[in-house]
Amino acid sequence: GENVEQHPSTLSVQEGDSAVIKCTYSDSASNYFPWYKQELGKRPQLIIDIRSNVGEKKDQRIAVTLNKTAKHFSLHITETQPEDSAVYFCAASGAQAGTALIFGKGTTLSVSS
Amino acid sequence: GAGVSQSPSNKVTEKGKDVELRCDPISGHTALYWYRQSLGQGLEFLIYFQGNSAPDKSGLPSDRFSAERTGGSVSTLTIQRTQQEDSAVYLCASSLTGRSQPQHFGDGTRLSIL
Repeated sequence: GENVEQHPSTLSVQEGDSAVIKCTYSDSASNYFPWYKQELGKRPQLIIDIRSNVGEKKDQRIAVTLNKTAKHFSLHITETQPEDSAVYFCAASGAQAGTALIFGKGTTLSVSS
Repeated sequence: GAGVSQSPSNKVTEKGKDVELRCDPISGHTALYWYRQSLGQGLEFLIYFQGNSAPDKSGLPSDRFSAERTGGSVSTLTIQRTQQEDSAVYLCASSLTGRSQPQHFGDGTRLSIL
């Protein structure tokens, strides 16, 4: 089955710096890769996703890149702000109907002002 | 509805009791998922429902866990003879279909076993 590894587990940056979180997956059949942001005590919120037919996707300060050959994908946050502080989860799922998301263990991002 | 709704938001019960957790997905979403999140951990897949198909139960940790989805909408996750290790936040998500679609989560039920 699919296995998703996420690094780093914690990340501290200064406000305005960039943050990068990396994930690797094991199943070459996986084709959907979402990223979720979870604030303390809140539900996970989808912030961006990418499908395997695309190499990069950007939404304002957030971008995701996908390298299918190497089976890894990354989240890039530019011009970080204190409100970006949260736990970020990557996930992967396959093409078959009913394939649940397999999540990484999360990265705790702290942005200090 | 506007989003995925879960109840209760918190549940405290004694070890050995049975509990039922409810999930009301977004209207029109055919796929429904249950996940478990232990303190400071990632999300662990439990079970998946898609339309009228047989559910994917491959993530259920033991036979004390079961779930059903009536009428293709509301789902109930039941844990029998609860153990302390069952303490966690149980999250429900739904998506439009089961094929690589964004999953939208509810606020979860925080279950504490005394």
